[in-house]
Amino acid sequence: DGGITQSPKYLFRKEGQNVTLSCEQNLNHDAMYWYRQDPGQGLRLIYYSQIVNDFQKGDIAEGYSVSREKKESFPLTVTSAQKNPTAFYLCASSMSGSGANVLTFGAGSRLTVL
Amino acid sequence: ILNVEQSPQSLHVQEGDSTNFTCSFPSSNFYALHWYRWETAKSPEALFVMTLNGDEKKKGRISATLNTKEGYSYLYIKGSQPEDSATYLCAFPYGGSQGNLIFGKGTKLSVKP
Repeated sequence: DGGITQSPKYLFRKEGQNVTLSCEQNLNHDAMYWYRQDPGQGLRLIYYSQIVNDFQKGDIAEGYSVSREKKESFPLTVTSAQKNPTAFYLCASSMSGSGANVLTFGAGSRLTVL
Repeated sequence: ILNVEQSPQSLHVQEGDSTNFTCSFPSSNFYALHWYRWETAKSPEALFVMTLNGDEKKKGRISATLNTKEGYSYLYIKGSQPEDSATYLCAFPYGGSQGNLIFGKGTKLSVKP
């Protein structure tokens, strides 16, 4: 079945450590996105990529980094510079970056900083 | 950054009740309006993408209407069932056709059997 796979589902991190969240899609979608969800807030865009080897900052990119070396993969690194990294992270993809294309989401990764 | 507002924040209904909730978005530079359903422990899934003023979409017992001139969309659920319990998100691409989606905070629907 085509879809998006995120791993790990749960991740615990000590302060000062970088962690990488994986996102893989087999939908042949060009565009991929990372969102963050905090209690009581809407999904907020961290980074997005509309094509391989290109990505752009979203609304809350500080303390995060991404890469897009392959069409299928868009890993997110939460660095030690991210002041409040405990959150639920969702990866999504769409056929292209058009605002009318639906997003397909992964199941999410929950990061907890100890 | 533009805002997408959803109301109510949460809703509790009995099985069989019909219900509706609202998404408000900026009416200028409209391009599209998305609705997603997010069940607990699952991925959000797309319900509708609406692009035309006056558009009405239907999927089973769920339907949505769109008013781009006044900047709102209604989502209706007819004869709610417990499996309809979920958070319903709307999203609006800011910046037009190539804009990224801004999401509302969602309406959490609980349907009691």
